[in-house]
Amino acid sequence: QKEVEQDPGPLSVPEGAIVSLNCTYSNSAFQYFMWYRQYSRKGPELLMYTYSSGNKEDGRFTAQVDKSSKYISLFIRDSQPSDSATYLCAMSGWDNFNKFYFGSGTKLNVKP
Amino acid sequence: GAVVSQHPSRVICKSGTSVKIECRSLDFQATTMFWYRQFPKKSLMLMATSNEGSKATYEQGVEKDKFLINHASLTLSTLTVTSAHPEDSSFYICSATPEGGNTIYFGEGSWLTVV
Repeated sequence: QKEVEQDPGPLSVPEGAIVSLNCTYSNSAFQYFMWYRQYSRKGPELLMYTYSSGNKEDGRFTAQVDKSSKYISLFIRDSQPSDSATYLCAMSGWDNFNKFYFGSGTKLNVKP
Repeated sequence: GAVVSQHPSRVICKSGTSVKIECRSLDFQATTMFWYRQFPKKSLMLMATSNEGSKATYEQGVEKDKFLINHASLTLSTLTVTSAHPEDSSFYICSATPEGGNTIYFGEGSWLTVV
């Protein structure tokens, strides 16, 4: 079983839709959770960083962490064509601060 | 947010030559830097982890004599692809962790084409 599971998509939505991206994980030691956006032929860009459980909001983006279910989500409100990219989740834990585990990435396409 | 700069963004080299890619943390000190390789439409593949002042730790299957990594300072790590072959053509990305930090920041990536 992989440490982090993420549906590769592609996920196609109309402009203005609410997008839900998700990752599940197996290691209960994970407590630092990140979402990255990667445009084609570019390096990943950090979107959201959360520690432990709870919600964090930044503009149109909301990150949720449910440690009891080992499940994290990224919601994008009022999605725009410019949001079309691959979204990667990543996480690390107290057992090894310098080890980061990535999902395989979900490709999102927002249609105008 | 923290900035990691990677240079060059694109490089073309002849088969058999060596090419160096630099990764710099511009506004923080990075005790740990990571190097990844990414194939088209695929996820990141961790190649090695480097800590400042010590030898890099390579992932299984990555040739350490072919992919030389140097992390000489807290703001600079370099990846040298030695005796490059066309199959080494790929997108190489570095990332860095701030000292005491729990997240990582990525460079813009470097496209290597070996002809």
